[in-house]
Amino acid sequence: NAGVTQTPKFQVLKTGQSMTLQCAQDMNHEYMSWYRQDPGMGLRLIHYSVGAGITDQGEVPNGYNVSRSTTEDFPLRLLSAAPSQTSVYFCASSYGSDPGYEQYFGPGTRLTVT
Amino acid sequence: AQRVTQPEKLLSVFKGAPVELKCNYSYSGSPELFWYVQYSRQRLQLLLRHISRESIKGFTADLNKGETSFHLKKPFAQEEDSAMYYCALTGGGNKLTFGTGTQLKVEL
Repeated sequence: NAGVTQTPKFQVLKTGQSMTLQCAQDMNHEYMSWYRQDPGMGLRLIHYSVGAGITDQGEVPNGYNVSRSTTEDFPLRLLSAAPSQTSVYFCASSYGSDPGYEQYFGPGTRLTVT
Repeated sequence: AQRVTQPEKLLSVFKGAPVELKCNYSYSGSPELFWYVQYSRQRLQLLLRHISRESIKGFTADLNKGETSFHLKKPFAQEEDSAMYYCALTGGGNKLTFGTGTQLKVEL
């Protein structure tokens, strides 16, 4: 199993550009989520999904869109990038939304917006 | 609002010395507490959770509801323990609130 994969590893955008961060998992996990990590701060939840077709907002959802058309994929879209979105983005998945299920994290995408 | 506080950005100890990484939380209900670890060039991974009351790699953590703490402890530090450690909580579901992390450096 590849586990949780994220692409790209690095990305530089100009203000106003759009892009999609990809996240996929091959563990048949129902629960997937996106976090961002900024210097001096812990990971903060952006959006999450408890299953295909179901998404919800986390702590910092503004400026990001998500969809979940399949169990395997959970892309994160930046419609109009801003410098404040410069961050490291982590995708995670777990078997279910119960806290007893371990979350598995991807390697991260480092995004810089100039 | 729920919050996790890790007061130390960096903790440096000698090999064989005891380790205690501090974690305090604020939450109005009964949270689930976790410790995650990120070794150099590796992914963030779960170390332990209080509901399991387990010891992983010699680490333990006890939930103290009176002091709202969940400190991570190990009696004898090993060089391979050097990593970034994050305390996290959830009040329901799998939506985690993380602390800012503590970098543990074990010196020879």
